[in-house]
Amino acid sequence: DTAVSQTPKYLVTQMGNDKSIKCEQNLGHDTMYWYKQDSKKFLKIMFSYNNKELIINETVPNRFSPKSPDKAHLNLHINSLELGDSAVYFCASSRVPNTEAFFGQGTRLTVV
Amino acid sequence: GQNIDQPTEMTATEGAIVQINCTYQTSGFNGLFWYQQHAGEAPTFLSYNVLDGLEEKGRFSSFLSRSKGYSYLLLKELQMKDSASYLCAVRVAYPGGATNKLIFGTGTLLAVQP
Repeated sequence: DTAVSQTPKYLVTQMGNDKSIKCEQNLGHDTMYWYKQDSKKFLKIMFSYNNKELIINETVPNRFSPKSPDKAHLNLHINSLELGDSAVYFCASSRVPNTEAFFGQGTRLTVV
Repeated sequence: GQNIDQPTEMTATEGAIVQINCTYQTSGFNGLFWYQQHAGEAPTFLSYNVLDGLEEKGRFSSFLSRSKGYSYLLLKELQMKDSASYLCAVRVAYPGGATNKLIFGTGTLLAVQP
């Protein structure tokens, strides 16, 4: 069983479109994250939820909206996609905030 | 500002020992993590240090000196499968909140050669 799974793995879309990435963890963790990894492999935190409550909201355009329906799920919706949004987006979870994190396989988003 | 430095690339020989350094200048410090990331895959946790000294875990060890803002990851008995990026991450307080966040370095790409 995959511990942290996110879908889709690849996403190619046109500028201006709206898209969602879904993430689920079956580890029973309380904390989930969205990270963005750019073309230079720099991994940066975007959002973090603990027990469904948003606890980290980095300087991210408000076109990005996370939603956590329950502790096991954290989805990311992106409106009006731009070329600069192209990156790999990783979902992750940890038992409590900012301890050993388990990452999903990543979603490679390409905006054309 | 927050700054984490690692060498961009390193090359080592199978069976050898390699040390990957990480220096940091951050506002606050609550611990340091090392992650391994193979090409096209997810990062996986390797080690965590919050106190000065060496933490050993099998072939991998991680060292921390808080006063020097310095850590290293030591890989012994290198294997071909150790070819990957190694990411250093520092945990710092999240501004205005009762939590922390991780700041990652850009990673060190290690190539293990036969």
